Amino acid sequence: RKEVEQDPGPFNVPEGATVAFNCTYSNSASQSFFWYRQDCRKEPKLLMSVYSSGNEDGRFTAQLNRASQYISLLIRDSKLSDSATYLCVVVRGGYQKVTFGTGTKLQVIP
Amino acid sequence: GAVVSQHPSRVICKSGTSVKIECRSLDFQATTMFWYRQFPKQSLMLMATSNEGSKATYEQGVEKDKFLINHASLTLSTLTVTSAHPEDSSFYICSARDFGTSRMETQYFGPGTRLLVL
Repeated sequence: RKEVEQDPGPFNVPEGATVAFNCTYSNSASQSFFWYRQDCRKEPKLLMSVYSSGNEDGRFTAQLNRASQYISLLIRDSKLSDSATYLCVVVRGGYQKVTFGTGTKLQVIP
Repeated sequence: GAVVSQHPSRVICKSGTSVKIECRSLDFQATTMFWYRQFPKQSLMLMATSNEGSKATYEQGVEKDKFLINHASLTLSTLTVTSAHPEDSSFYICSARDFGTSRMETQYFGPGTRLLVL
């Protein structure tokens, strides 16, 4: 089983829609979690950290469920510019082990 | 935010040649830099961790004699793909951590180098 798993998608949603992605991780010792955004042929960029209490940044909400070992990303009021691949990142071992998911592709359609 | 540059951004070479990729942290010192490889539709795979002034730590399955890493200063790490073959064609991305911190939030990625070996 992969350490980090994501549904590759693509998720095709109309503008204005709400979309959610999940990411599961297998190692219960995982300590920190992040969502990155990667545009085609570009480097990944940090979107947001994921905290146990959940966190929100504008239209984006991230949540962590340690019991079920998954994190989620919710995007409200999707914009065309949100089209990208969203990578789940799981860190353990004091930042010595960083694992990226394969990413979920989002395509927002006009 | 902090900036990490990579050079070249794109390279095409013949099979058997060596290719050097540079990763620079432009406005901060990075004791640790990371080299990743990403094949199409796959996740970023960590190849090695580069520590300034010491030998790099390679991930399992990555040949250290093929992927030579040098981290000569706090702002520069180089990855040399020796005797490149078509299967080495990939997107190589470096990242650098701000000196004195280990938080993921202070790990900045370079723009990547697209290598095509003919």
